Amino acid sequence: SYELTQPPSVSVSPGQTARITCSGDALPKQYAYWYQQKPGQAPVLVIYKDSERPSGIPERFSGSSSGTTVTLTISGVQAEDEADYYCQSADSSGTYKVFGGGTKLTVL
Amino acid sequence: QVQLVQSGAEVKKPGASVKVSCKASGYTFTSYDINWVRQATGQGLEWMGWMNPNSGNTGYAQKFQGRVTMTRNTSISTAYMELSSLRSEDTAVYYCARADFWSGYSFDYWGQGTLVTVSS
Repeated sequence: SYELTQPPSVSVSPGQTARITCSGDALPKQYAYWYQQKPGQAPVLVIYKDSERPSGIPERFSGSSSGTTVTLTISGVQAEDEADYYCQSADSSGTYKVFGGGTKLTVL
Repeated sequence: QVQLVQSGAEVKKPGASVKVSCKASGYTFTSYDINWVRQATGQGLEWMGWMNPNSGNTGYAQKFQGRVTMTRNTSISTAYMELSSLRSEDTAVYYCARADFWSGYSFDYWGQGTLVTVSS
């Protein structure tokens, strides 16, 4: 079955830039989405269609894509950004959706 | 405003079935797919499948095919996910999420989650 690979953890100091990667063979063909999840809460969409930001999401969140890797970048990280982040996409046919394993962002 | 409100926590014995509901409000229920995603404690998100509330068409992750059924009642704007032959590994929080075609197929609104515990 199709898989998306994320690093388990990323740590940054406040004000620095955090980059979280997600790799998958079908990413050149399928859009990627990013979700933020804080403890005890439902996930929240922060990036759609690789690099678009929903209304209400701060400008410090951005997304990019290059080949089989997509990247979520958080510029000027704040303490409130500490959370788990999941990428999501689909297999090459678009039939089956899949989530990456998640990345825990720690703000030092 | 868009809201997805799920039914309450459930405790089931192994081998039983569970049916979780997801009531939509604030938008036209039949215009957006509903997807189901689950999360075991301390684990990641796992996609289970989708349902089109207008047609009733469904698509399930291979892992759950034969055990999951997604249905809807359009008169009350409610989607359902039923999982059968429960085992301890099915203990998880189950989420419904609206899929927005206009943003690709993103899950733009989520329910609050329903904890299903499978225990003898």
